Amino acid sequence: AQSVTQPDIHITVSEGASLELRCNYSYGATPYLFWYVQSPGQGLQLLLKYFSGDTLVQGIKGFEAEFKRSQSSFNLRKPSVHWSDAAEYFCAVGAQLGNKLVFGAGTILRVKS
Amino acid sequence: DGGITQSPKYLFRKEGQNVTLSCEQNLNHDAMYWYRQDPGQGLRLIYYSQIVNDFQKGDIAEGYSVSREKKESFPLTVTSAQKNPTAFYLCASSPTGLLGTDTQYFGPGTRLTVL
Repeated sequence: AQSVTQPDIHITVSEGASLELRCNYSYGATPYLFWYVQSPGQGLQLLLKYFSGDTLVQGIKGFEAEFKRSQSSFNLRKPSVHWSDAAEYFCAVGAQLGNKLVFGAGTILRVKS
Repeated sequence: DGGITQSPKYLFRKEGQNVTLSCEQNLNHDAMYWYRQDPGQGLRLIYYSQIVNDFQKGDIAEGYSVSREKKESFPLTVTSAQKNPTAFYLCASSPTGLLGTDTQYFGPGTRLTVL
C-alpha cells in the first residue's frame, strides 16, 4: 500500500519569496501524484498532477512540482509567493492497482508581508 | 457550471441524533467519495461508490451510512453510533471508478458540530 508524508506542518514565507513544500511518498511502482490546495473552510482544489512523462509538472496559479524517483519525492514550488497563496496544501498519492488516494496530513502556509 | 454541491455548509446536531449530509454533482462522474477532515490528520476516506447502487467502506466507515440511488447524488448519514462526529466533511467525485489513479474533484464541505 502507498503512503505519503508531508514533513512540515507549518511554513511561513515572506511575500515575494520563493516556496518549496515537501512531499515524500512510499510506493513500489510508479505512483500517481497530486497536489491540492485548501483555503480555510473550503473544499480542495487541484493544483497539479503527475502520472508519467516529464518529471517537472506545471500547474495552476504559477505552481510547479518535480517528481524525483530516486528521492521518492514530489515537492511543490513557486518562485514568488503572493499573500493569496496562504492556505493548506495537501499531497496525495495513488496507485494503478490501488483502491484509493492517500493524502498527507497537510502543510499550512503562512505568508507575511 | 459543472461542479459539486454540498449542503448545508454548517450543521449542528444534538447527541443521539442522526443527520444526513447532502452531496450532488453534475459532472456526470461515475465515482463519488466521502472524506472526514480533522485538524492535522489530513483526509480520511469514509465511503466510496464506483457505480450506482453500489458502495464500499473506506478506512473509517463505522457510525456512518451512505446510499447511491442516483448517479449524481451520494448522501452521507452520520448516525448516533459515531462516537466523535464533530468534523469537516468533504464530498468528492471522479470521472471513472479507477480509484487509485483518477483525479478527484471536491465540494465545498459541510462542517458538522455536535452540541
